[in-house]
Amino acid sequence: ELKVEQNPLFLSMQEGKNYTIYCNYSTTSDRLYWYRQDPGKSLESLFVLLSNGAVKQEGRLMASLDTKARLSTLHITAAVHDLSATYFCAVDIGSGGSNYKLTFGKGTLLTVNP
Amino acid sequence: KAGVTQTPRYLIKTRGQQVTLSCSPISGHRSVSWYQQTPGQGLQFLFEYFSETQRNKGNFPGRFSGRQFSNSRSEMNVSTLELGDSALYLCASSEGATSYEQYFGPGTRLTVT
Repeated sequence: ELKVEQNPLFLSMQEGKNYTIYCNYSTTSDRLYWYRQDPGKSLESLFVLLSNGAVKQEGRLMASLDTKARLSTLHITAAVHDLSATYFCAVDIGSGGSNYKLTFGKGTLLTVNP
Repeated sequence: KAGVTQTPRYLIKTRGQQVTLSCSPISGHRSVSWYQQTPGQGLQFLFEYFSETQRNKGNFPGRFSGRQFSNSRSEMNVSTLELGDSALYLCASSEGATSYEQYFGPGTRLTVT
């Protein structure tokens, strides 16, 4: 059974600081996703990582994937209050091709304090 | 392009009843997936449909079922509702062939009393 572990589960940081969220998974996978969820809202897609060594950046967020280590990271640079949300990583274990069967981590609740 | 739409947005049902939730994917998307989100279990995959065929299924009892129509709209049904079925039900759509992005709808909040 695929396990996806995120840490930390809770992260309180000051504005302007940097931090990294880690996502480990237990089996080979083709794709890794990062999503953001605001309270009471749905999931917003941040990144889709498709290959070993993939790195994507959007604003203050940068995600990377190491398929050999089965590890993805979401790095936050110079955090601002607007980044406060819950961040999920998800691994796709669909049966191949374009199948979709995401297994999610428990999420990291990020709070950015002034 | 309009996003993924889900109806209804909120629903209150009684134990033992059944419920049907609807999801309309983004125009042109042929893959629709369903997820259940609860505080205790987190986000769990229910099933995925592509061109009216169920391609993947999660570990949920047979009370949970779904289908997809020729226009890619999808419905999921839960029969004999239990208190533990109270959750946010999210559907996600994807183009399914060349793009791996999944776009989530706003969800249906189901409360079982």
